[in-house]
Amino acid sequence: AQSVTQLDSQVPVFEEAPVELRCNYSSSVSVYLFWYVQYPNQGLQLLLKYLSGSTLVESINGFEAEFNKSQTSFHLRKPSVHISDTAEYFCAVSETGTSGYSTLTFGKGTMLLVSP
Amino acid sequence: ETGVTQTPRHLVMGMTNKKSLKCEQHLGHNAMYWYKQSAKKPLELMFVYNFKEQTENNSVPSRFSPECPNSSHLFLHLHTLQPEDSALYLCASSLGQAITGELFFGEGSRLTVL
Repeated sequence: AQSVTQLDSQVPVFEEAPVELRCNYSSSVSVYLFWYVQYPNQGLQLLLKYLSGSTLVESINGFEAEFNKSQTSFHLRKPSVHISDTAEYFCAVSETGTSGYSTLTFGKGTMLLVSP
Repeated sequence: ETGVTQTPRHLVMGMTNKKSLKCEQHLGHNAMYWYKQSAKKPLELMFVYNFKEQTENNSVPSRFSPECPNSSHLFLHLHTLQPEDSALYLCASSLGQAITGELFFGEGSRLTVL
Protein backbone atom coordinates (compact mmCIF):
# COMPACT_ATOMS: atom_id res chain seq x y z
CA ALA A 1 0.00 0.00 0.00
CA GLN A 2 1.14 3.51 -0.70
CA SER A 3 1.65 6.06 2.04
CA VAL A 4 1.74 9.84 2.19
CA THR A 5 3.81 11.77 4.71
CA GLN A 6 3.13 15.38 5.57
CA LEU A 7 6.00 16.36 7.82
CA ASP A 8 4.41 19.40 9.44
CA SER A 9 1.16 19.18 11.37
CA GLN A 10 0.94 22.97 11.66
CA VAL A 11 2.60 25.87 9.82
CA PRO A 12 2.14 29.38 11.22
CA VAL A 13 2.98 32.23 8.86
CA PHE A 14 2.37 35.96 8.58
CA GLU A 15 0.20 37.43 5.85
CA GLU A 16 2.03 38.13 2.55
CA ALA A 17 4.89 35.81 3.50
CA PRO A 18 5.80 32.78 1.34
CA VAL A 19 4.93 29.28 2.50
CA GLU A 20 5.83 25.70 1.62
CA LEU A 21 3.84 22.67 2.81
CA ARG A 22 5.78 19.46 2.44
CA CYS A 23 4.53 16.14 1.12
CA ASN A 24 6.40 12.91 0.44
CA TYR A 25 4.93 9.68 -0.85
CA SER A 26 6.06 6.10 -1.13
CA SER A 27 5.48 4.36 -4.41
CA SER A 28 7.43 2.26 -6.85
CA VAL A 29 5.06 2.83 -9.75
CA SER A 30 3.62 5.77 -11.61
CA VAL A 31 1.42 7.89 -9.40
CA TYR A 32 -1.10 10.64 -9.60
CA LEU A 33 -0.82 13.26 -6.86
CA PHE A 34 -3.30 15.70 -5.38
CA TRP A 35 -3.59 18.53 -2.89
CA TYR A 36 -6.93 19.07 -1.19
CA VAL A 37 -7.92 21.96 1.10
CA GLN A 38 -10.41 21.90 3.98
CA TYR A 39 -11.71 25.23 5.26
CA PRO A 40 -13.26 25.30 8.76
CA ASN A 41 -16.52 23.35 9.02
CA GLN A 42 -16.39 22.31 5.38
CA GLY A 43 -15.54 19.22 3.39
CA LEU A 44 -12.39 18.80 1.35
CA GLN A 45 -11.99 20.54 -2.02
CA LEU A 46 -9.48 19.74 -4.75
CA LEU A 47 -6.78 22.42 -4.95
CA LEU A 48 -4.57 21.00 -7.71
CA LYS A 49 -3.41 17.72 -9.19
CA TYR A 50 -0.53 16.16 -11.09
CA LEU A 51 -1.41 13.48 -13.62
CA SER A 52 1.31 13.77 -16.29
CA GLY A 53 3.23 16.32 -18.33
CA SER A 54 4.72 19.40 -16.72
CA THR A 55 5.95 18.69 -13.22
CA LEU A 56 4.80 22.12 -12.04
CA VAL A 57 1.06 22.48 -11.55
CA GLU A 58 -0.86 25.55 -10.45
CA SER A 59 -4.18 26.35 -8.84
CA ILE A 60 -6.44 29.29 -9.61
CA ASN A 61 -5.71 30.99 -6.29
CA GLY A 62 -1.93 31.21 -6.56
CA PHE A 63 -0.77 27.89 -5.11
CA GLU A 64 1.62 25.67 -7.03
CA ALA A 65 3.13 22.24 -6.49
CA GLU A 66 6.06 20.51 -8.11
CA PHE A 67 6.29 16.79 -8.71
CA ASN A 68 9.80 15.53 -7.99
CA LYS A 69 10.10 11.87 -8.88
CA SER A 70 13.66 11.39 -7.61
CA GLN A 71 12.77 12.78 -4.20
CA THR A 72 9.22 11.32 -4.22
CA SER A 73 7.89 14.70 -3.19
CA PHE A 74 4.99 16.95 -4.13
CA HIS A 75 5.47 20.09 -2.04
CA LEU A 76 2.88 22.88 -2.12
CA ARG A 77 3.99 26.51 -2.28
CA LYS A 78 2.58 29.98 -2.41
CA PRO A 79 4.74 33.11 -2.75
CA SER A 80 2.41 35.36 -0.72
CA VAL A 81 -0.36 34.04 1.52
CA HIS A 82 -3.62 35.70 2.58
CA ILE A 83 -5.63 35.41 5.76
CA SER A 84 -8.25 33.53 3.75
CA ASP A 85 -5.71 30.76 3.02
CA THR A 86 -6.02 29.62 6.64
CA ALA A 87 -7.17 26.01 6.31
CA GLU A 88 -6.00 22.43 6.54
CA TYR A 89 -4.18 21.07 3.48
CA PHE A 90 -4.09 17.39 2.59
CA CYS A 91 -1.74 15.69 0.17
CA ALA A 92 -3.07 12.54 -1.51
CA VAL A 93 -1.92 9.84 -3.90
CA SER A 94 -4.04 7.59 -6.05
CA GLU A 95 -3.92 3.88 -5.34
CA THR A 96 -5.47 0.85 -6.98
CA GLY A 97 -7.16 -1.42 -4.46
CA THR A 98 -7.47 -5.19 -4.42
CA SER A 99 -10.68 -4.93 -6.40
CA GLY A 100 -8.89 -3.16 -9.23
CA TYR A 101 -10.66 0.12 -8.53
CA SER A 102 -8.69 3.24 -7.66
CA THR A 103 -9.03 5.35 -4.53
CA LEU A 104 -7.09 8.14 -2.85
CA THR A 105 -4.74 7.73 0.11
CA PHE A 106 -4.39 10.89 2.17
CA GLY A 107 -1.71 12.29 4.47
CA LYS A 108 -2.44 13.51 8.01
CA GLY A 109 -2.87 17.08 6.85
CA THR A 110 -1.05 20.35 7.56
CA MET A 111 -2.86 23.20 9.24
CA LEU A 112 -1.82 26.52 7.67
CA LEU A 113 -2.36 29.39 10.10
CA VAL A 114 -2.04 32.85 8.53
CA SER A 115 -1.95 35.80 10.90
CA PRO A 116 -1.91 39.58 10.22
CA GLU B 1 -23.79 24.00 -2.03
CA THR B 2 -21.13 21.41 -2.79
CA GLY B 3 -23.31 18.96 -4.65
CA VAL B 4 -22.82 16.36 -1.93
CA THR B 5 -25.15 16.69 1.06
CA GLN B 6 -24.70 14.86 4.34
CA THR B 7 -27.21 14.55 7.17
CA PRO B 8 -27.19 14.91 10.06
CA ARG B 9 -24.32 17.35 10.47
CA HIS B 10 -23.97 16.42 14.15
CA LEU B 11 -24.95 13.24 15.95
CA VAL B 12 -24.54 12.18 19.57
CA MET B 13 -25.32 8.58 20.42
CA GLY B 14 -24.84 6.06 23.16
CA MET B 15 -23.00 2.81 22.64
CA THR B 16 -26.23 0.80 22.44
CA ASN B 17 -28.05 3.07 19.98
CA LYS B 18 -28.71 2.45 16.32
CA LYS B 19 -28.43 5.42 14.00
CA SER B 20 -27.73 6.13 10.34
CA LEU B 21 -25.79 8.72 8.38
CA LYS B 22 -27.09 9.76 4.98
CA CYS B 23 -25.28 11.06 1.93
CA GLU B 24 -26.84 12.33 -1.27
CA GLN B 25 -25.18 13.59 -4.47
CA HIS B 26 -26.80 15.31 -7.44
CA LEU B 27 -23.70 15.40 -9.63
CA GLY B 28 -24.45 12.36 -11.77
CA HIS B 29 -21.47 10.51 -10.32
CA ASN B 30 -21.27 6.74 -10.22
CA ALA B 31 -18.80 6.21 -7.38
CA MET B 32 -19.40 7.06 -3.72
CA TYR B 33 -17.12 6.80 -0.69
CA TRP B 34 -17.16 6.89 3.10
CA TYR B 35 -14.08 8.31 4.83
CA LYS B 36 -13.38 8.65 8.57
CA GLN B 37 -11.51 11.77 9.71
CA SER B 38 -10.01 11.64 13.20
CA ALA B 39 -7.77 14.28 14.76
CA LYS B 40 -4.04 13.81 14.09
CA LYS B 41 -4.65 10.88 11.74
CA PRO B 42 -4.87 10.56 7.95
CA LEU B 43 -8.28 10.26 6.39
CA GLU B 44 -9.24 6.61 6.49
CA LEU B 45 -11.08 5.13 3.55
CA MET B 46 -13.91 2.94 4.81
CA PHE B 47 -16.05 1.87 1.87
CA VAL B 48 -16.29 2.43 -1.87
CA TYR B 49 -19.28 1.84 -4.11
CA ASN B 50 -19.19 1.86 -7.91
CA PHE B 51 -22.54 1.71 -9.68
CA LYS B 52 -24.19 0.64 -6.39
CA GLU B 53 -21.77 -2.27 -5.93
CA GLN B 54 -19.37 -2.30 -3.01
CA THR B 55 -15.83 -2.46 -4.39
CA GLU B 56 -13.80 -1.70 -1.27
CA ASN B 57 -14.24 -2.56 2.39
CA ASN B 58 -11.12 -1.39 4.15
CA SER B 59 -11.29 -3.84 7.07
CA VAL B 60 -14.03 -1.82 8.73
CA PRO B 61 -15.65 -3.36 11.85
CA SER B 62 -19.09 -4.84 11.31
CA ARG B 63 -20.66 -2.26 13.62
CA PHE B 64 -20.48 -0.01 10.55
CA SER B 65 -22.83 -1.18 7.82
CA PRO B 66 -23.01 0.68 4.49
CA GLU B 67 -25.93 0.72 2.12
CA CYS B 68 -26.10 2.09 -1.42
CA PRO B 69 -29.63 1.78 -2.83
CA ASN B 70 -28.78 3.76 -5.97
CA SER B 71 -25.91 5.81 -7.42
CA SER B 72 -27.15 9.00 -5.75
CA HIS B 73 -27.58 7.82 -2.17
CA LEU B 74 -25.25 6.27 0.36
CA PHE B 75 -25.97 5.38 3.98
CA LEU B 76 -23.81 4.36 6.89
CA HIS B 77 -25.73 2.41 9.51
CA LEU B 78 -24.24 2.56 13.01
CA HIS B 79 -24.79 0.00 15.76
CA THR B 80 -23.07 -0.71 19.08
CA LEU B 81 -20.36 1.85 18.50
CA GLN B 82 -17.37 2.54 20.75
CA PRO B 83 -16.15 5.94 22.02
CA GLU B 84 -13.12 5.66 19.71
CA ASP B 85 -15.54 5.74 16.77
CA SER B 86 -16.18 9.41 17.50
CA ALA B 87 -14.96 11.30 14.42
CA LEU B 88 -16.02 13.29 11.38
CA TYR B 89 -17.46 10.98 8.73
CA LEU B 90 -17.05 12.31 5.22
CA CYS B 91 -18.93 11.18 2.16
CA ALA B 92 -17.50 11.78 -1.30
CA SER B 93 -18.41 11.01 -4.89
CA SER B 94 -16.58 10.89 -8.20
CA LEU B 95 -17.25 10.40 -11.88
CA GLY B 96 -15.46 7.16 -12.55
CA GLN B 97 -12.46 6.03 -10.60
CA ALA B 98 -10.51 8.30 -8.28
CA ILE B 99 -7.19 7.60 -9.94
CA THR B 100 -7.37 10.63 -12.19
CA GLY B 101 -10.64 12.16 -11.24
CA GLU B 102 -11.64 14.56 -8.56
CA LEU B 103 -13.45 13.57 -5.38
CA PHE B 104 -16.31 15.84 -4.32
CA PHE B 105 -16.79 15.85 -0.57
CA GLY B 106 -19.74 16.65 1.63
CA GLU B 107 -19.33 18.77 4.76
CA GLY B 108 -19.30 15.72 6.99
CA SER B 109 -21.29 14.29 9.88
CA ARG B 110 -19.68 14.88 13.28
CA LEU B 111 -20.32 11.78 15.39
CA THR B 112 -19.85 11.65 19.16
CA VAL B 113 -20.24 8.30 20.90
CA LEU B 114 -20.81 8.50 24.65
